Amino acid sequence: EAQVTQNPRYLITVTGKKLTVTCSQNMNHEYMSWYRQDPGLGLRQIYYSMNVEVTDKGDVPEGYKVSRKEKRNFPLILESPSPNQTSLYFCASSSTGGGLYGYTFGSGTRLTVV
Amino acid sequence: AQSVTQLDSHVSVSEGTPVLLRCNYSSSYSPSLFWYVQHPNKGLQLLLKYTSAATLVKGINGFEAEFKKSETSFHLTKPSAHMSDAAEYFCVVRILFNKFYFGSGTKLNVKP
Repeated sequence: EAQVTQNPRYLITVTGKKLTVTCSQNMNHEYMSWYRQDPGLGLRQIYYSMNVEVTDKGDVPEGYKVSRKEKRNFPLILESPSPNQTSLYFCASSSTGGGLYGYTFGSGTRLTVV
Repeated sequence: AQSVTQLDSHVSVSEGTPVLLRCNYSSSYSPSLFWYVQHPNKGLQLLLKYTSAATLVKGINGFEAEFKKSETSFHLTKPSAHMSDAAEYFCVVRILFNKFYFGSGTKLNVKP
């Protein structure tokens, strides 16, 4: 089944403790992206990657890092999480940057930073 | 500046009645437009898309949307609501290759 898999689904952590949210897709998509969803704000793009070793900032990149060493994986790294990063995070992938076929989204990771 | 505005944060309809979810956009470029649906505790699923072909776009589950350039709108409609349509809906504008702007979402409630 074609899908985007995120782990974990739920995570509670403390301020300053480094964490990684994994994202993997099995569709051989070139384009991958991370979004955060906050009430009343819709989804905002954090980082995106157009292919292996090619990444760029989205609209809200502060406090996040990403890497794209393999085509299928696009982990999101929070080096020193803070409470304002409490949010619902989505990974998405597309074969054409989303323009023709839209994104395939993961099921989300709900992160709470205390 | 590019943006997308969903005019209603909540819409409530009775089962079997029409659905209208409103979306307006602003863009300096010719946009691609999408509607996504998010059911509780799920990811987002593509409902339909407009990419400069026919202005009336048909999607999954009986949904349609019409692109009106003069009104800068892309409203989502369905003739008859079903209980399973209860979800949150997002209007999305794609301006450039990698720039997508999401609306703030409209929660659709369907009453029996």
